[in-house]
Amino acid sequence: AQSVTQLDSHVSVSEGTPVLLRCNYSSSYSPSLFWYVQHPNKGLQLLLKYTSAATLVKGINGFEAEFKKSETSFHLTKPSAHMSDAAEYFCVVSRLTGGGNKLTFGTGTQLKVEL
Amino acid sequence: DAGVTQSPTHLIKTRGQHVTLRCSPISGHKSVSWYQQVLGQGPQFIFQYYEKEERGRGNFPDRFSARQFPNYSSELNVNALLLGDSALYLCASSLREGSSYNSPLHFGNGTRLTVT
Repeated sequence: AQSVTQLDSHVSVSEGTPVLLRCNYSSSYSPSLFWYVQHPNKGLQLLLKYTSAATLVKGINGFEAEFKKSETSFHLTKPSAHMSDAAEYFCVVSRLTGGGNKLTFGTGTQLKVEL
Repeated sequence: DAGVTQSPTHLIKTRGQHVTLRCSPISGHKSVSWYQQVLGQGPQFIFQYYEKEERGRGNFPDRFSARQFPNYSSELNVNALLLGDSALYLCASSLREGSSYNSPLHFGNGTRLTVT
């Protein structure tokens, strides 16, 4: 079985300050890990995906995530928040091999960016 | 290129009715998946289809069914609607059937279903 736990349901930051959205995963197999973002009334957009070749993964819009196997974590960060980053963020896990293309989503973290 | 398109964007139905949701994948994508997103929660996997065959099914009752057509578009059908079926239904397409790492899912904007 595989699952992800997003440790904060809401995060609020000021524009220009760093963003940290926390995610822990559980997987019996070597996981594929992703972060998706969802703006209001929109579908989900892929921010980044974990590759076993590098523990630090860079995504779009200045986001990055670090895979830490010892801590079973895949936290999402951004050095400087922008108003347009306000959205819901989902940490996602899937099996690396086989099992089709099924994603298991966390419960989401709502990011609020204030002036 | 157009992304994943879903229709309708919004729908209101009454309990007990039936609904059909439609999805057109990105051109060249052969796999279509359906997810249900209840307000305040993350999306839940319903189905995956590849080359017109069901490849995966989530923990949903038999009232939920789907199919994929020769042009790779897909329909999700829900019978005997319940209030709890109110949700955003997301369709996603990918190039291949397998691993999400090698074939990331691309999501549509969803169909907002309200059951009254």
